[in-house]
Amino acid sequence: EAQVTQNPRYLITVTGKKLTVTCSQNMNHEYMSWYRQDPGLGLRQIYYSMNVEVTDKGDVPEGYKVSRKEKRNFPLILESPSPNQTSLYFCASSWDGNQPQHFGDGTRLSIL
Amino acid sequence: AQSVSQHNHHVILSEAASLELGCNYSYGGTVNLFWYVQYPGQHLQLLLKYFSGDPLVKGIKGFEAEFIKSKFSFNLRKPSVQWSDTAEYFCAVNAAGSARQLTFGSGTQLTVLP
Repeated sequence: EAQVTQNPRYLITVTGKKLTVTCSQNMNHEYMSWYRQDPGLGLRQIYYSMNVEVTDKGDVPEGYKVSRKEKRNFPLILESPSPNQTSLYFCASSWDGNQPQHFGDGTRLSIL
Repeated sequence: AQSVSQHNHHVILSEAASLELGCNYSYGGTVNLFWYVQYPGQHLQLLLKYFSGDPLVKGIKGFEAEFIKSKFSFNLRKPSVQWSDTAEYFCAVNAAGSARQLTFGSGTQLTVLP
């Protein structure tokens, strides 16, 4: 089954404690992306990747890092999380940036 | 950079009513346009997309959208809504050809009363 898998689904942690949210897709897609969803703001793109080792900033990259060492994986790293990063995060993938994206089930992060 | 506006934040309709959700974008070049739906507690799913050609596009579950280039609009319509259409609807746009960033609107929450 074609899917985008995110882990964990829920996480409560404290300010400053590094965390990684994993994202994996099994569709051999080249394009992957991370979004955060906040009430009243919709989804905002954090980072995207056109292919392995090719990443670029979206609209709200501050406080986040990503890497794309393999085609299937695109982890989101919060080196020093802060409360304003409390949000619902979605990973997505597609063949390229023009195509509709397949979304994961989301990761709800709470930073205390 | 592109931007997207969805002016209706919350729409409440009775079953069988007709639906139209507004979406306007700002970008000077050619765009790809999308409508996604997010049912409660679920991830986003594609409803329909417009790349080129016929400006009236049909999607899943009876939804359709019309691209009006002169108005920079891509409104979503459905002639008769059902209770199961209760969800949040997002319009999204990216620049065709050099599609990198996908920009979403702030979303419209649709509540359909039985």
